[in-house]
Amino acid sequence: QQQVKQSPQSLIVQKGGISIINCAYENTAFDYFPWYQQFPGKGPALLIAIRPDVSEKKEGRFTISFNKSAKQFSLHIMDSQPGDSATYFCAASSSKAAGNKLTFGGGTRVLVKP
Amino acid sequence: DSGVTQTPKHLITATGQRVTLRCSPRSGDLSVYWYQQSLDQGLQFLIQYYNGEERAKGNILERFSAQQFPDLHSELNLSSLELGDSALYFCASSQEGRGTQYFGPGTRLLVL
Repeated sequence: QQQVKQSPQSLIVQKGGISIINCAYENTAFDYFPWYQQFPGKGPALLIAIRPDVSEKKEGRFTISFNKSAKQFSLHIMDSQPGDSATYFCAASSSKAAGNKLTFGGGTRVLVKP
Repeated sequence: DSGVTQTPKHLITATGQRVTLRCSPRSGDLSVYWYQQSLDQGLQFLIQYYNGEERAKGNILERFSAQQFPDLHSELNLSSLELGDSALYFCASSQEGRGTQYFGPGTRLLVL
């Protein structure tokens, strides 16, 4: 059962453009939603995270939008740069569950063209 | 650099064999997590330890086992290896049993 669905699987954006990645979740117990960035040959690195008590969080060029009623959240990368070319994963976890496991979306491969 | 270290970086072995992957968490982190990343299954949670005790278990195969030692490093043991076990195995750590998880560089396992 895929509890976090991520789209698109890949996207190409021009330098300076906006990259938008969407995720939808099923488990209403999820209450922590991080985004990870992964470069080839490296481990995932935390980019930005949000909790459901806010609808938006911005850190530099990265913004998370969160819609609790729709059970959806998205990552916006503003002014995309070639260095942003990577695979992005959304994830979710629940403070009510035993442990702290992250459930990941399938990933989005982003290519920023110069 | 996340501060999480994993060894070895690469591992090539044959079906039926047993391997051990090692992880050292960030300094001060008490919790260690293991994840498997494969092309068809994506990133999947395997198991979590907190201060030496098992805290949560995912879809970890019975052929796989893990432990966290008193110095907080962790080992993931994979036995009776099959071709389908070929994947990237990541270790992550967090300060407490919850909170932000920081991932290591991974071990790439190839089973031939």
